[in-house]
Amino acid sequence: DAGVIQSPRHEVTEMGQEVTLRCKPISGHNSLFWYRQTMMRGLELLIYFNNNVPIDDSGMPEDRFSAKMPNASFSTLKIQPSEPRDSAVYFCASRLAGGTQYEQYFGPGTRLTVT
Amino acid sequence: QQQVKQSPQSLIVQKGGISIINCAYENTAFDYFPWYQQFPGKGPALLIAIRPDVSEKKEGRFTISFNKSAKQFSLHIMDSQPGDSATYFCAAKETSGSRLTFGEGTQLTVNP
Repeated sequence: DAGVIQSPRHEVTEMGQEVTLRCKPISGHNSLFWYRQTMMRGLELLIYFNNNVPIDDSGMPEDRFSAKMPNASFSTLKIQPSEPRDSAVYFCASRLAGGTQYEQYFGPGTRLTVT
Repeated sequence: QQQVKQSPQSLIVQKGGISIINCAYENTAFDYFPWYQQFPGKGPALLIAIRPDVSEKKEGRFTISFNKSAKQFSLHIMDSQPGDSATYFCAAKETSGSRLTFGEGTQLTVNP
């Protein structure tokens, strides 16, 4: 079975450029999470969606960050304009909401470098 | 903001030894406590999880001990193996939603 798919796996861009990260959750999952991982701040939740609706975006750093989930099988995280401090590994995770199972399945991540 | 504190930051254990990682949380609004394992270049993966109505859960060589009154929980890895070398994260889920709050992570190295 395919897990969470993220693209690109690596992205190098210059400060000021727009960056778009993509995620395809596991088929059938109805919750999707975007995380950022850095050495300084660890693993931080940026935003999560239930049934394509943003539920909690309190972790989004600032207005330069935006996330969308136009349908159940696709989500994007956009940074515009990008800054060097945005350099991090960005993970997407999904889960099947409801019931008593809370496991989140993580994708392989996108390593973003902003120069 | 609710926090989960994890220690130690790094841990070196000999093959066959016991690895112990500890976490503490600050309030009672959590109802699910998972541990995730992350290998370099990979995303975190669920290892084992516990709910606050039990004090211990064991799966193979991995055991979670949970102390509700102390607001602490720990991961024990018995008979540690070099293949266990990874970064381990504890986490806690808020009762009211799906948000997971992660600890800072522990880098475990198991020497052969």
